[in-house]
Amino acid sequence: GIQVEQSPPDLILQEGANSTLRCNFSDSVNNLQWFHQNPWGQLINLFYIPSGTKQNGRLSATTVATERYSLLYISSSQTTDSGVYFCRGKLVFGAGTILRVKS
Amino acid sequence: ETGVTQTPRHLVMGMTNKKSLKCEQHLGHNAMYWYKQSAKKPLELMFVYNFKEQTENNSVPSRFSPECPNSSHLFLHLHTLQPEDSALYLCASSQDPWNYGYTFGSGTRLTVV
Repeated sequence: GIQVEQSPPDLILQEGANSTLRCNFSDSVNNLQWFHQNPWGQLINLFYIPSGTKQNGRLSATTVATERYSLLYISSSQTTDSGVYFCRGKLVFGAGTILRVKS
Repeated sequence: ETGVTQTPRHLVMGMTNKKSLKCEQHLGHNAMYWYKQSAKKPLELMFVYNFKEQTENNSVPSRFSPECPNSSHLFLHLHTLQPEDSALYLCASSQDPWNYGYTFGSGTRLTVV
């Protein structure tokens, strides 16, 4: 089956810094999605992005389907951005990136 | 109500108990999913239903028994569980399993004692 790899596994930022999270997949996917898991376990949809670029406030995402990767950009990070970020391709989730933003 | 609702939010059960988790979606979606998230592990697919028919069973032990009576409701029946089954159980729905994004419920945190 498809493999989904996320990097980095952990990331610590100072408030106000920018970051890039990456998701690589071993096969072509047409339903890539990014989520943020809050401290209570809820998975919040950030972007459904099979290809191209989308932006929502301080967050944006780019998927290059032909090269089998997607990037999530967080700009001007805030402490509320802390949590775990997951990408999903087909039915499979990556292992996640744990983000901690310090004030 | 809107979105995907899971009940109960928390459940503690003994190894000999029988309990059920419930998921309901109000989005008009046709596909529903159960995922398991154990501590420090990625989300693991358990079951997929599309138009009430099971289309994926990811080698899940028979002590977990899903039921999908219609496209809006999904149950996970639990019996004779083990302590290692303690986890966060997440339900999701989507328009179909291939071309659309998921919407997740808040999850049921299960502890088996």
